[in-house]
Amino acid sequence: QQPVQSPQAVILREGEDAVINCSSSKALYSVHWYRQKHGEAPVFLMILLKGGEQKGHDKISASFNEKKQQSSLYLTASQLSYSGTYFCGTEMPSVSGNQGGKLIFGQGTELSVKP
Amino acid sequence: EPEVTQTPSHQVTQMGQEVILRCVPISNHLYFYWYRQILGQKVEFLVSFYNNEISEKSEIFDDQFSVERPDGSNFTLKIRSTKLEDSAMYFCASSEQGQLYEQYFGPGTRLTVT
Repeated sequence: QQPVQSPQAVILREGEDAVINCSSSKALYSVHWYRQKHGEAPVFLMILLKGGEQKGHDKISASFNEKKQQSSLYLTASQLSYSGTYFCGTEMPSVSGNQGGKLIFGQGTELSVKP
Repeated sequence: EPEVTQTPSHQVTQMGQEVILRCVPISNHLYFYWYRQILGQKVEFLVSFYNNEISEKSEIFDDQFSVERPDGSNFTLKIRSTKLEDSAMYFCASSEQGQLYEQYFGPGTRLTVT
C-alpha cells in the first residue's frame, strides 16, 4: 500500500518551519526520507526503524509514531537549499521472509523556500 | 565518498528497440535495485537483486524487463522491446543489506522512447 504524504506542496520564507507527514494504513517496517531536487536523484536523509523514534541532523529531524504508521519530517529555520521534493519511502514487514528492501514511495511534497 | 554511478545519462530509442541501462553500485553493497520515475510522478519500485537472483519484483517488471550482474561491478537493466510508456527516469540504488538499510541512489538514466 502506498503511503499518503501531506501536504502536497508548501511554500515557505527563509527561516520558517515546515512539517511533512507520511501515513500508512498498516504498521511499517521502516520509513526512509529522501529529498529530490529537480532533475536529480533522490538523496537519502534518514531512516527510522523503531516506534517512538526521533532522530535528526542539523535542522532536519523526523519522528516515527509508536504504532509505526505515521512519520513526520521537521524542517526548522528553513534555508533556500531545502527546496525540493520530499519523499517518504516505506518498507512493509515481509510475509514471505524476503529480505529485499523494497521501498514504496509516497507521492511527494514539493517544498519551496523563498528569500 | 562512494557513490552509485549510471550510464548513459540520457538514452533516446525508437519504440520496439532494446535498451540496456548500466549501473555500478557502491562496492561493498550487496543489494541492488531499479526504480523508475515518470516525469512529475513518484518513484516506483521495479526490482531488487541479491546474490545473483531477483529478490522481489513489482507488477511493472514484466517479461520485457530483465536484470543482470554480468561481472563483479556492473548491474544492468534490459528492456527488450521498448514502448512509449517506458519513457521515464530510471534510478539504480544499492544498500549494504536489504531490509532496514538505507538505499543510495545513482543519478539516473533518462530514457526517451519515440
